[in-house]
Amino acid sequence: AQSVTQPDIHITVSEGASLELRCNYSYGATPYLFWYVQSPGQGLQLLLKYFSGDTLVQGIKGFEAEFKRSQSSFNLRKPSVHWSDAAEYFCAVGAVSSASKIIFGSGTRLSIRP
Amino acid sequence: EAGVAQSPRYKIIEKRQSVAFWCNPISGHATLYWYQQILGQGPKLLIQFQNNGVVDDSQLPKDRFSAERLKGVDSTLKIQPAKLEDSAVYLCASSSTANTEAFFGQGTRLTVV
Repeated sequence: AQSVTQPDIHITVSEGASLELRCNYSYGATPYLFWYVQSPGQGLQLLLKYFSGDTLVQGIKGFEAEFKRSQSSFNLRKPSVHWSDAAEYFCAVGAVSSASKIIFGSGTRLSIRP
Repeated sequence: EAGVAQSPRYKIIEKRQSVAFWCNPISGHATLYWYQQILGQGPKLLIQFQNNGVVDDSQLPKDRFSAERLKGVDSTLKIQPAKLEDSAVYLCASSSTANTEAFFGQGTRLTVV
């Protein structure tokens, strides 16, 4: 069965500092991987996705993520965070299947220190 | 392109009452999902439709929750009777196929008192 672990519940970084949010997944076959962001009171917005090919994927708002099959990880990074990046971030895993479902992690709340 | 539409945005009901949520997915999207997001947690998949057929409803509490997607377009999710622990945001999402990115609506925040 698919599962996603986000080990960090809450992270605080200073504005302008770099960011890395961790995500580990469990799935027996080739996964599809996603990062979503959720601002308070809003729905989820897709930041980036990995289906195949280059393991370093670029997303919106300056985010990137790297798929490492050997570590079952898909960590999200940003070189310099802005105050507007404060939000909840969710990693999700799908599968290469017509009956695939998308399973979400428990999320990491990002706070930005001025 | 219009996004996923959900209504209502907010609902407050008493326990044991019934409630229904409506979702209109992005035009042409065959796959529709309903997720439950309890405060402080990640979204939990309740049910997934492919056109008007159910693909997965393993996490749907079928004694009180029901969902339908008539004609493979709009969908409704119903809770009857509601319990206090059903207080959550109910998110609808759609995707062009089952294994591509899902687009989410704004959600319906349900409070059961």
